[in-house]
Amino acid sequence: GAGVSQSPRYKVTKRGQDVTLRCDPISSHATLYWYQQALGQGPEFLTYFNYEAQPDKSGLPSDRFSAERPEGSISTLTIQRTEQRDSAMYRCASSLQMGLGIPGELFFGEGSRLTVL
Amino acid sequence: SQQGEEDPQALSIQEGENATMNCSYKTSINNLQWYRQNSGRGLVHLILIRSNEREKHSGRLRVTLDTSKKSSSLLITASRAADTASYFCATARDTGGFKTIFGAGTRLFVKA
Repeated sequence: GAGVSQSPRYKVTKRGQDVTLRCDPISSHATLYWYQQALGQGPEFLTYFNYEAQPDKSGLPSDRFSAERPEGSISTLTIQRTEQRDSAMYRCASSLQMGLGIPGELFFGEGSRLTVL
Repeated sequence: SQQGEEDPQALSIQEGENATMNCSYKTSINNLQWYRQNSGRGLVHLILIRSNEREKHSGRLRVTLDTSKKSSSLLITASRAADTASYFCATARDTGGFKTIFGAGTRLFVKA
């Protein structure tokens, strides 16, 4: 697509429910990132993909968080048994590689705001 | 965890003045990027500087990189009220696979 698209834009859920967030990156971009951003803070790295491979998921806060990119395009971020502390903006970004897997400019979507009651 | 530390955390200046923001980081990097974010909107890429470059310009923006000090600065000249935003540095570093890590940001307020 023309830009990075995320859905839903807003999600309100009750504690204990599972949620899945979706990211549709720019079609030519090999690399896809997930970040979590609290109000007034910078984006915190969660995980990233090069095509369908997931080289680093060290930023995922707990095993309740998982991400997939099965065909190297669309990605989902799933949070199981949500807790109030999971409330945040979740941002997806994609980029071309500059060579040797080095990421270039990141293109961000508008984000998915998750509120856990 | 966040790799970069921006300084200052907040900056308030008059329109027409220059704004300088600094970023320090801890590990070796391949490139450093600066992003802008308006009021919780999506982040917008401003400029990328590679580790073998020392200075780069784009319009009213000037970025410097000192890899020996592990620091970078972003200068916005002749600031405008529309430059009011949060500015983040981000570093691409090799951790067995490159990933891009953001700092906590500098909040710039330009008074008209």
